[in-house]
Amino acid sequence: ILNVEQSPQSLHVQEGDSTNFTCSFPSSNFYALHWYRWETAKSPEALFVMTLNGDEKKKGRISATLNTKEGYSYLYIKGSQPEDSATYLCASDDNYGQNFVFGPGTRLSVLP
Amino acid sequence: GAGVSQTPSNKVTEKGKYVELRCDPISGHTALYWYRQSLGQGPEFLIYFQGTGAADDSGLPNDRFFAVRPEGSVSTLKIQRTERGDSAVYLCASSPGTSNTDTQYFGPGTRLTVL
Repeated sequence: ILNVEQSPQSLHVQEGDSTNFTCSFPSSNFYALHWYRWETAKSPEALFVMTLNGDEKKKGRISATLNTKEGYSYLYIKGSQPEDSATYLCASDDNYGQNFVFGPGTRLSVLP
Repeated sequence: GAGVSQTPSNKVTEKGKYVELRCDPISGHTALYWYRQSLGQGPEFLIYFQGTGAADDSGLPNDRFFAVRPEGSVSTLKIQRTERGDSAVYLCASSPGTSNTDTQYFGPGTRLTVL
């Protein structure tokens, strides 16, 4: 069974700080890694899909990197804003890409 | 365009009752997924449909849980004889296909509380 972990479980940062958190997954039989942002009372929103070792994706102030050989991905947020407050989930594809296995998420709170 | 919708948004029921949770996927999406998210955990896979058929139901915890998608669009997750441990947020997602790079688009979830 695929086991996806995320750290830290939660963090609080001040507005304007940059931050990053980690998703780790089994490196064997890797297919794809997905990052989602889930704000309270809203639907989880897709951020990135990453497949290749060394991949780096960027969307505004948010970027992510992928290391498939060692089984981890980093998500970076530059100059955090209060609207970045959310739970950030990563998910790795299981078996033949037919369903995701999610990590427990990192809950980010950005204090004004 | 319209995203994935789920109804009801909240459901409170008593132990032992039967509940149905509905998911309306994005039009044209062939794949539909159900997940359950308990407090402090990530969403846990329950079942996925490709068209009308359940392609993988290995995540359903026991035979009290059942899901259908009779016309390949709307899906209903059915829970019989609910237990307090069934309390969770039930998420539905749809995607255009089942490639490992296909994004799954999520609905806002149904929060189920079993008293």
